[in-house]
Amino acid sequence: DAKTTQPPSMDCAEGRAANLPCNHSTISGNEYVYWYRQIHSQGPQYIIHGLKNNETNEMASLIITEDRKSSTLILPHATLRDTAVYYCIVRGGDMRFGAGTRLTVKP
Amino acid sequence: GAVVSQHPSRVICKSGTSVKIECRSLDFQATTMFWYRQFPKQSLMLMATSNEGSKATYEQGVEKDKFLINHASLTLSTLTVTSAHPEDSSFYICSARVPAGGRDTQYFGPGTRLTVL
Repeated sequence: DAKTTQPPSMDCAEGRAANLPCNHSTISGNEYVYWYRQIHSQGPQYIIHGLKNNETNEMASLIITEDRKSSTLILPHATLRDTAVYYCIVRGGDMRFGAGTRLTVKP
Repeated sequence: GAVVSQHPSRVICKSGTSVKIECRSLDFQATTMFWYRQFPKQSLMLMATSNEGSKATYEQGVEKDKFLINHASLTLSTLTVTSAHPEDSSFYICSARVPAGGRDTQYFGPGTRLTVL
């Protein structure tokens, strides 16, 4: 599986969009980009995934660059409950977690 | 999304005893389940892959005789921590794969916090 790089932490104001970047420059053609988040002391929650097209669901949007070497998870209107560690995973097999980005949504 | 449950959510045991953790897929059948461990302030670490009806595949450094995994049905996998010691205290999380022809997704249970005294 390709390695991913995420900033260790980010802050976002409540009600504003949270844009979480992820670099995956070694991604191969058949690997999907997955995003999960983990709120303290809970199991990871699936958010969204995609291959090369942008994706949107009720939780978030995923923007994947044309060369697929990076992506951005967008939470359009962040709330305090979105405070969590967000993991970007490029997967061709098992789901393996890096350090993720700790997003703190502030009032 | 698919629902995965774990039982118990929290367990405290004495050193030397064995603890069994159950992982169930509630609304789908899972031929493949996974077990992870997470220590405080660290990320999840994959311990093993559990395949229904066959032996589990363990990650390097994970003792298969200490962490017994059984996946006897399409909706249940169990992890038994044998002869638990304080260093085994951790947050254990299972997940189940929902196959979708390359777009398959893993859904995670709520986790089990094990404390070994």
